[in-house]
Amino acid sequence: QVQLVQFGAEVKKPGAAVKVSCKASGYTFTDYYLHWVRQAPGQGLEWLGWINPHSGGTNYAQKFRGRVTMTRDTSVSTAYMELSNLRSDDTAVYFCARSKFVGDGTDVWGQGTTVTVSS
Amino acid sequence: QSALTQPASVSGSPGQSITISCTGTSSDIGGYNYASWYQQHPDKAPKLMIYEVTNRPSGVSNRFSGSKSGNTASLTISGLQAEDEADYYCSSYTSSTYVFGTGTKVTVL
Repeated sequence: QVQLVQFGAEVKKPGAAVKVSCKASGYTFTDYYLHWVRQAPGQGLEWLGWINPHSGGTNYAQKFRGRVTMTRDTSVSTAYMELSNLRSDDTAVYFCARSKFVGDGTDVWGQGTTVTVSS
Repeated sequence: QSALTQPASVSGSPGQSITISCTGTSSDIGGYNYASWYQQHPDKAPKLMIYEVTNRPSGVSNRFSGSKSGNTASLTISGLQAEDEADYYCSSYTSSTYVFGTGTKVTVL
C-alpha cells in the first residue's frame, strides 16, 4: 500500500543540525511532491517547504530559508529534511506528506519524527 | 506569511451540522481554488478531508463538504458523530508555498 515511513525520534543540542528521513513505498516516488510540516507540542501545523523528487527542485517557507535543506535519493525512494542551528523552539514532530502537484492537498502523510532540542 | 484565521473551537450535538471558517487574504484563499482541510486526532498524523475547496478524497464521508466565498473557506460537517471530535486545520496555496490555519477543536457534546 501507499505509505511514507519515518523513524521515531531524535534528540539534539541547541546549535546542532538534524536530518530527518521519509521513505516512500507503494507508488512512483518521482511522481509526487514531498512536503515537510511540523507541529510543536500542543501547537498547530506549520509548513516548512516542498521538494520535487523528480527534479530535486525545492521551495521553502520564508521563515526557514537559510536553515532548512530538503534533498532526495531516488535510488532508495527517500526524501530528507535537514534543519540547522537548532533552537529549543524547533522541538516538534516533523511530518512528511505528498501531493500530486504544488497547490494540491497532501493525501498521504508519514507518522512523524519527534525532534527534541535540549541542552 | 501569516497563518490563516480559524475559530479556536466549535461544538455541536450528535446529528447536528457545524461549519468551521478559515479566513485569509486575496493572496492565498481568495486568490486560488487550492484550499484544503485536514482532520487530526490526538497523537495522529493529519488526514486530508477536502482538497481544491470542494473535493473529497476517496473514502472520506460525504458528511464533510467544503466551500469558499471571497477570502474565506469553510468546512461543514453534517450529521455530527462522536468520531468527528478532533482538531481541524485549513491550508491554502500561496505563491508556490503553503500556509496553514490556526486550527479548530471540534467537540461533540
